[in-house]
Amino acid sequence: AQTVTQSQPEMSVQEAETVTLSCTYDTSESNYYLFWYKQPPSRQMILVIRQEAYKQQNATENRFSVNFQKAAKSFSLKISDSQLGDTAMYFCAFMKQVIQGAQKLVFGQGTRLTINP
Amino acid sequence: GAVVSQHPSWVICKSGTSVKIECRSLDFQATTMFWYRQFPKQSLMLMATSNEGSKATYEQGVEKDKFLINHASLTLSTLTVTSAHPEDSSFYICSARVAGLSNQPQHFGDGTRLSIL
Repeated sequence: AQTVTQSQPEMSVQEAETVTLSCTYDTSESNYYLFWYKQPPSRQMILVIRQEAYKQQNATENRFSVNFQKAAKSFSLKISDSQLGDTAMYFCAFMKQVIQGAQKLVFGQGTRLTINP
Repeated sequence: GAVVSQHPSWVICKSGTSVKIECRSLDFQATTMFWYRQFPKQSLMLMATSNEGSKATYEQGVEKDKFLINHASLTLSTLTVTSAHPEDSSFYICSARVAGLSNQPQHFGDGTRLSIL
């Protein structure tokens, strides 16, 4: 079974700073997908960024980028020029690749990120 | 695109009543929908996978007679909490995957806050 671990329950940084959220996972699969989801106080789950395991290039989405280390099974999220609106719970998630059938997401415990003015 | 609507957003009811939560994919068809439960300050816990036209697949420890799932169409799945009790109070979130596309991220509804008095 796959597991996802986020070792930082809470983090806090000043606006405009850069912050990195860590995530490690355990799997025997060779093909899979990794995601970072954001859950603001409104509690809606918002996809921030995704990474395909077969791609060596780290995914980027504007101010959000990942550091994907497949051998180390590490998938950290870097937020550059942090903004007040980035305040939220951040969940790392794993999904194995399948040909057919349901693909479940396995979530980490979450990291509560607070951006201070 | 890929909008998931969940209704109601908040419900308060007396102990012993049954509560139905709807999850609709508004602009796409979803053969598979997922139901999660989230306790305060915790991660999402997958309860069941809802498959259009067939029985839902429940995760270990989830009572299928307690949490009835119906997925009668490609755009609608319902979760009914039967004979609800205070311990069923929680935040319930659904997600959906676009039919015919494998290895795609799930799209989440806004969640339902259930409070049982």
